[in-house]
Amino acid sequence: DAGVIQSPRHEVTEMGQEVTLRCKPISGHNSLFWYRQTMMRGLELLIYFNNNVPIDDSGMPEDRFSAKMPNASFSTLKIQPSEPRDSAVYFCASSLTEHNEQFFGPGTRLTVL
Amino acid sequence: EDQVTQSPEALRLQEGESSSLNCSYTVSGLRGLFWYRQDPGKGPEFLFTLYSAGEEKEKERLKATLTKKESFLHITAPKPEDSATYLCAFNTGTASKLTFGTGTRLQVTL
Repeated sequence: DAGVIQSPRHEVTEMGQEVTLRCKPISGHNSLFWYRQTMMRGLELLIYFNNNVPIDDSGMPEDRFSAKMPNASFSTLKIQPSEPRDSAVYFCASSLTEHNEQFFGPGTRLTVL
Repeated sequence: EDQVTQSPEALRLQEGESSSLNCSYTVSGLRGLFWYRQDPGKGPEFLFTLYSAGEEKEKERLKATLTKKESFLHITAPKPEDSATYLCAFNTGTASKLTFGTGTRLQVTL
């Protein structure tokens, strides 16, 4: 049974470049969550979707960040332009409903030089 | 403001030395209290959900309990493979998102 799939696993880019992170949730799960983890701030929710609709994007740091979920099996998190302070591990998680336990992907480690 | 506080920040145990991790919470309208395990370089792995005071759940050497103010993760006779960071999180009736604590780094040595 495949879990949450994220790509790429590692991304190194230069300041100002566009970065796109991808996520495939567990089949049958209706809610999808994007988190960011840093040593300083821990694990923070950026945005979540329910049935492909964004419900809460209050954690998105600024307009440089955007997320989409065009269908039930795919979501993207885009940063444009990227900055060094965006360096972190970005996790995608999915759950059966928005209230249930969430299952996390392996994460994308982003380094912005 | 709703929040959780985990203690200790770090814990070093010898193999077989049982202990407990604490997650204190101040939450209005708690819906669920969640425990996760995170290994270095990996995503958090779901362990337990607790919904009401007095509830307990067990899995192998781990047992999670919940009171009205805190949750404990009891580790009985730990092994080196139990070494990880343990995170607690909560959601509420009005906010489905999980809010995580900062975690307890557990190291179990031979």
